[in-house]
Amino acid sequence: DADVTQTPRNRITKTGKRIMLECSQTKGHDRMYWYRQDPGLGLRLIYYSFDVKDINKGEISDGYSVSRQAQAKFSLSLESAIPNQTALYFCATSDLAAGGDANEQFFGPGTRLTVL
Amino acid sequence: AQSVAQPEDQVNVAEGNPLTVKCTYSVSGNPYLFWYVQYPNRGLQFLLKYITGDNLVKGSYGFEAEFNKSQTSFHLKKPSALVSDSALYFCAVRDSLYNFNKFYFGSGTKLNVKP
Repeated sequence: DADVTQTPRNRITKTGKRIMLECSQTKGHDRMYWYRQDPGLGLRLIYYSFDVKDINKGEISDGYSVSRQAQAKFSLSLESAIPNQTALYFCATSDLAAGGDANEQFFGPGTRLTVL
Repeated sequence: AQSVAQPEDQVNVAEGNPLTVKCTYSVSGNPYLFWYVQYPNRGLQFLLKYITGDNLVKGSYGFEAEFNKSQTSFHLKKPSALVSDSALYFCAVRDSLYNFNKFYFGSGTKLNVKP
């Protein structure tokens, strides 16, 4: 979805380096999410945020941190990258209004991260 | 615990034939069910959802899905497959009662439609 953008699209880094992945959205949604995708495992939730003052851990938050700088921006950081964090990372948004919890998510194009 | 299962890693079908991609779920409350499609090098795109009401839900690109409460299933279907339907399909569930803030995704099913 072009309304949800992620930078960078691809990144190769070395073990121990600090990495930040950025997500921006123009959909005006309150809720934002970070997932990682690994082959055969589907998508696993890392962190989610329902507004700039609300940050919550997902199922695999260890080794990651996030920052919600504004309603439209949600960044994911790897403080000290390790090889098993090599994956495809997706940012997603959903709307609190109207359907509320029944609303679907809108995904960015993904960031392919390789940790050597 | 909340979970979603897609029992088939891959589904192969000939163009023009009907297709089914299977999904079963486990939630504590009433489920909100979703199907997404992922094309190569793209993010997931929403196809359809079931919240309440009619068990047969129609979505984008001619896809539909049938909610079956007794079998806790939400299979994705299309009457006539196209080569362009070849992609990775994900089922997702949201629990209306517990952990309603989270989506739970299946592991994905790769659909191959051959000419």
